Amino acid sequence: EVQLLESGGGLVQPGGSLRLSCAASGFTFNSYAMIWVRQAPGKGLEWVSAVTGDGGSTYYADSVKGRFTISRDNSKNTLYLQMSSLRADDTAVYYCARMVVGTNYFDCWGQGTLVPVSS
Amino acid sequence: DIQMTQSPSTLSASVGDRVTITCRASQSISSWLAWYQQKAGKAPKVLIYKASSLESGVPSRFSGSGSGTEFTLTISSLQPDDFATYYCQQYNTYPLTFGGGTKVEIK
Repeated sequence: EVQLLESGGGLVQPGGSLRLSCAASGFTFNSYAMIWVRQAPGKGLEWVSAVTGDGGSTYYADSVKGRFTISRDNSKNTLYLQMSSLRADDTAVYYCARMVVGTNYFDCWGQGTLVPVSS
Repeated sequence: DIQMTQSPSTLSASVGDRVTITCRASQSISSWLAWYQQKAGKAPKVLIYKASSLESGVPSRFSGSGSGTEFTLTISSLQPDDFATYYCQQYNTYPLTFGGGTKVEIK
């Protein structure tokens, strides 16, 4: 069974940093591009970042470019999102998801991890 | 960036109704569009990809159509399990973008 399990969320102060993890199981992790999508409370979905299966290419939304870094450790079947210079408007549930091979839509999602940014 | 606009933002319907949700792209995305269903407190679930292809395991009452800039998601006969929020997503180019969502409520 394909599973994605996020961790690392929690309350952080404005200007602070946090690293999210997404542990993958049930599929050949390095064959799939992976993404992070976030959802602010009561709002819609916002794509945040993507990384190719080999980690060689990364993509970012303008809203996080220069502050967030996506990476992966294929030996550990784990995806990461390093977030720095956090702002109140980064408050959201962060989901990791798997991209269907050869396309850019998402067929499997984690349960999400909440990141509140507040003093 | 490609902007995705969904309408309506909220829709009230009854069980058994035929429901149609529209998604418009600010420029042509060919057929590179997916539809997701999200229930409260849960992760989204893909329903349709490439504008009209039904994801495995999704009931056949869901269908998608369109190409270029105009797309629709249709639920042929609304079921109790279908009350949720629906999002379109373009995957023609980065940045990947979602529509604002359509909440389907019980009438």
